[in-house]
Amino acid sequence: QSALTQPASVSGSPGQSITISCTGTSSDVGGYNYVSWYQQHPGKAPKLMIYEVSNRPSGVSNRFSGSKSGNTASLTISGLQAEDEADYYCSSYTSSSKMVFGGGTKLTVL
Amino acid sequence: QVTLKESGPVLVKPTETLTLTCTVSGFSLSNARMGVSWIRQPPGKALEWLAHIFSNDEKSYSTSLKSRLTISKDTSKSQVVLTMTNMDPVDTATYYCARIRYDISLDYWGQGTLVTVSS
Repeated sequence: QSALTQPASVSGSPGQSITISCTGTSSDVGGYNYVSWYQQHPGKAPKLMIYEVSNRPSGVSNRFSGSKSGNTASLTISGLQAEDEADYYCSSYTSSSKMVFGGGTKLTVL
Repeated sequence: QVTLKESGPVLVKPTETLTLTCTVSGFSLSNARMGVSWIRQPPGKALEWLAHIFSNDEKSYSTSLKSRLTISKDTSKSQVVLTMTNMDPVDTATYYCARIRYDISLDYWGQGTLVTVSS
C-alpha cells in the first residue's frame, strides 16, 4: 500500500488556524471513515488527536478538528499555540484490512 | 491505566532475526475489538505500520514486509511478539507497539525502542 500524501510542512502564527491535508484513494481514505491523526513531538511517541475522521479523544483540545471530503482528509488546528509545533501524521484503514500512514507534516509555529 | 512497553535487542546484525516483545497492562489482549499494532520509524523519517493482531487472533501485515514478519500473542502473559527476519541496516528504526481499536486508531503507545542493524 502506498503512503498517504501530506504536505511536508506548514506554518502559522500564534492564534491563527492551519489545515493539514491527507490524500489517499477510494481504497483507503475515500472508502472508510477510519481516518486518524497523530501528533508527535521530537523524541516522543505519537499521540492520538483525532479518530474516525472527526472525533476527539478525551483530553484533546477542541482546537483540533478533523474532516473528510472524497479521498482527502484534513486536520485543522485553530488558535495556534507554541505547543502545537510538532509533526502530524494521518492514518487510514485500507480495503485489504491493513493500515497506512501519511508521510508526515512538520508544523512550525512562527 | 493502560501502558505498553517494548523490549528486545538494541543491536542486531545483518541477516539476523529480530524478536520484539510488547508487554501490556491496564487492558486484556482478550478485550473485544481491540488489539496491538507494531509501527516503526527510521531516524528522521515517517511512521510505517508493520502489523497488527486483534483479540480474535485476526492478523494483518504490511504488504511490503509480509514475507519477513510474524506477529503472535500470549494472552496469559499480556504479551505480543513481533519477529522480523533477515534484518538489514535499512531496518534501523524506533519500533513502537500501540493499542489498536476497532476503528483502527492507535490510542495508547509504548515509548518505543531503537533497534540498530549493524555488523
